[in-house]
Amino acid sequence: EAQVTQNPRYLITVTGKKLTVTCSQNMNHEYMSWYRQDPGLGLRQIYYSMNVEVTDKGDVPEGYKVSRKEKRNFPLILESPSPNQTSLYFCASSPLMASGWSDTGELFFGEGSRLTVL
Amino acid sequence: EDQVTQSPEALRLQEGESSSLNCSYTVSGLRGLFWYRQDPGKGPEFLFTLYSAGEEKEKERLKATLTKKESFLHITAPKPEDSATYLCAVPRGGGSEKLVFGKGTKLTVNP
Repeated sequence: EAQVTQNPRYLITVTGKKLTVTCSQNMNHEYMSWYRQDPGLGLRQIYYSMNVEVTDKGDVPEGYKVSRKEKRNFPLILESPSPNQTSLYFCASSPLMASGWSDTGELFFGEGSRLTVL
Repeated sequence: EDQVTQSPEALRLQEGESSSLNCSYTVSGLRGLFWYRQDPGKGPEFLFTLYSAGEEKEKERLKATLTKKESFLHITAPKPEDSATYLCAVPRGGGSEKLVFGKGTKLTVNP
């Protein structure tokens, strides 16, 4: 089954304790991205990756790191979490080609990871 | 600045009562407009892609249309299972691969 898998789905942690949210896709997609979703603010892009070893900042990258060492995996790292990073996080992948969004606009989203930082 | 604005924020309909959701955008060089459906606690699910003004796409009770400044998601004779938040998104201008989402319209269809 084609899917994007995130772990953990739920996490409560404390300020400053490093954590990683994993994301894996089995569709051989080039493009992967992380979003956070907050009430009243909608979905905001954190980072995205066009391919292995190619990552770029989205609109809200502060406090986050990513890496793309393998095509299928795109972990989100919070080096020193703070309460303002409490949010619902989504990983997504797309068969976006080098020619860009003109070929396809479909993002496949994971089920989400609800993170609470105390 | 690239913007995507959806209206209304929330919409309540009776089963069978048709209506439309709006997504207006300001982005240079539109390279597509995408509609998603999101159920509570789940990731968004892709519905449609529209690329040029005048284009229409249909899926069951949903029809999406696109003009040069906005898109409409028309819902014909909705059922309670159509209740969800509907999101639209566009790629940022200037050839960026960033995708910006609107804040969504929460649709509730009462039986």
